[in-house]
This record gives sequence, structure tokens and C-alpha cells, in this order.
Amino acid sequence: AQSVTQLGSHVSVSEGALVLLRCNYSSSVPPYLFWYVQYPNQGLQLLLKYTTGATLVKGINGFEAEFKKSETSFHLTKPSAHMSDAAEYFCAVSDTGANNLFFGTGTRLTVIP
Amino acid sequence: DTEVTQTPKHLVMGMTNKKSLKCEQHMGHRAMYWYKQKAKKPPELMFVYSYEKLSINESVPSRFSPECPNSSLLNLHLHALQPEDSALYLCASSQGGQGYSPEQYFGPGTRLTVT
Repeated sequence: AQSVTQLGSHVSVSEGALVLLRCNYSSSVPPYLFWYVQYPNQGLQLLLKYTTGATLVKGINGFEAEFKKSETSFHLTKPSAHMSDAAEYFCAVSDTGANNLFFGTGTRLTVIP
Repeated sequence: DTEVTQTPKHLVMGMTNKKSLKCEQHMGHRAMYWYKQKAKKPPELMFVYSYEKLSINESVPSRFSPECPNSSLLNLHLHALQPEDSALYLCASSQGGQGYSPEQYFGPGTRLTVT
């Protein structure tokens, strides 16, 4: 069975500070991992994905995530937070060839001016 | 182009009404999805169509009826809904099939209010 745990339902950072959103997964097979962002009253936008290969993945808007198999983690980072980063962030996991995404419960990021 | 479009953007309907939500993608994707999302929660999967055939129905009440007229279109027909069905309804698509990366691309959603 696959699942995702996002530690911290709400994270606050100051503008310009490091953003770190945590995601741990459980999967019986090598997973595909994703981060999505959702702004208020909008759909989900794909930030980045890990499939195979390089474990450090770069995404849009300056975000990146590192796949660590030994820690079963896929944490999302951004060196310097911007006000426009305030949103809900979802981590998700899937299997190769599967049509399902398993979402974490989400982390709301607040950026303090 | 990674755009999925949904209409309408907002919908208010009474419990006796019949309405439909529409979704369209032109990315050549062969899998399409309907999700329901309540406030401050992750999306909940409702239906999956793979190569225009319903492949997953997550025990959704029969007052929700999906339809996939062709590989680019997905509809969700609504009838006799309850106030607790008020939510954001999201459509998504992915390449589908074995060997493809399963990331899904989401539309902007339809905000449904049942009165």
C-alpha cells in the first residue's frame, strides 16, 4: 500500500527565509513522487516530479526536492521565500503504470512580510 | 500545452436540479479523472477513465454520473445532490498506460454549491 505523510499542516516563514516542507512516503515498490501547489480557489499545479535518475529534482518557481530512499523522504525546499509562494502544497506518490495518485494531507505555507 | 479546461467555473444548484460539469484536454492524454475537494483537504478521487473506459469508481453515489464521450472530453452529470456535495470539483488528465510517468494535470475546478 502507498501513502504519504506531510509533517506540519501549517508552516510560516519570513519573506526571504528558507522554505522546507516535509514529505515522507510509504511504498512497496520504487515510487514516483510529486509536489503540487494550489492557490486559493484554483486547481493543482505540478511543481516537480521524481521518476528515476537524479535524486535532486528542480521544479518551477525556484523549488527543488531531494529523493532520499534511505529516509523514504521527498522534502520540498526553496532558498528564499517570496510572498507569492503562499499557498497549499500537496505531496503525492504513485506507482509505475498506475492511474492513481495518493495525496498527503497538505501543508499551508504562509509567508510573513 | 498542459492545459485542462473546466466549465462552468461556479455552479449553484438546488437539490432537485440536473446539471453537468465539463472538462476538456488537448494533450493527447488517455486517462482522465474526477476529484472532489472539500476545504482544507486533499482531493478525493471519484472516477478514472482510461482509454475512454471507466476503470475506477471510488464508491461514488449514483447521483454522480460520469461520461467520457471521447478521449478529450469528460463530463460529470449531477442529479438530486445533497448540500454536503458542495465542494470544488477538479478534473485532471495524464498520459495513461504502462510505462508512462503518471503525473496528472489539473483543471481550475468548478466550485459547486448545492442549496
